Amino acid sequence: QVQLVQSGAEVKEPGASVKVSCKASGFTFTASGLHWVRQAPGQRLEWMGRIIPGNGQTEYPQNFQGRVTITGDTSASTAYMELKSLRSEDTAVYYCAKQIGGVVYWGQGTLVTVSS
Amino acid sequence: QAVVTQEPSLTVSPGGTVTLTCGSSTGTVTSGHWPYWFQQKPGQAPRTLISDVSYKHSWTPARFSGSLLGGKAALTLSGAQPEDEAEYYCLLSYGDAWVFGGGTKLTVL
Repeated sequence: QVQLVQSGAEVKEPGASVKVSCKASGFTFTASGLHWVRQAPGQRLEWMGRIIPGNGQTEYPQNFQGRVTITGDTSASTAYMELKSLRSEDTAVYYCAKQIGGVVYWGQGTLVTVSS
Repeated sequence: QAVVTQEPSLTVSPGGTVTLTCGSSTGTVTSGHWPYWFQQKPGQAPRTLISDVSYKHSWTPARFSGSLLGGKAALTLSGAQPEDEAEYYCLLSYGDAWVFGGGTKLTVL
């Protein structure tokens, strides 16, 4: 079955970077987009971008341009999301998500806490 | 970037009917936005309820239905149950980009 397994919780200081991984199984990793979405405490879901692992093509919304990088390792069926120049407002649960056959499958979420 | 709007909160009585809506700042929501509805309960990842306007999945309770209504995507709950109390998010696609609504907190009371 489709599984997206993410790396564990992180605590980072302001100004640092964080890299979250998402290991995929149960589907063809290289086909179509794999997305990253975050949710700050008590806030809405926020789309951060997506990658098509088969060709490395990425797309990011304007508010994350230049600060987020999404990459994929097809040999490991794993996607990565790196967020730079962290600030306290980046404290959130980060999800990877994959749309297959009309269903959006979600990873379990990774809590990133930004605190000095 | 488009802004997607939902009612911040709604209350429905047990057994009652309620409609949640999802609008787009760019104009009419169409099937080309591939509207999705997700249910999220505290501490959990979102769960797909409805895709492509009105498609239900095997796990979607029959009391939920999706439609296009008055230029928006709509999620109707008929016969609300206590377990339906949750946050509901819509998702619209604009080409390759996703935009989520702000969520509707549904209270069953």
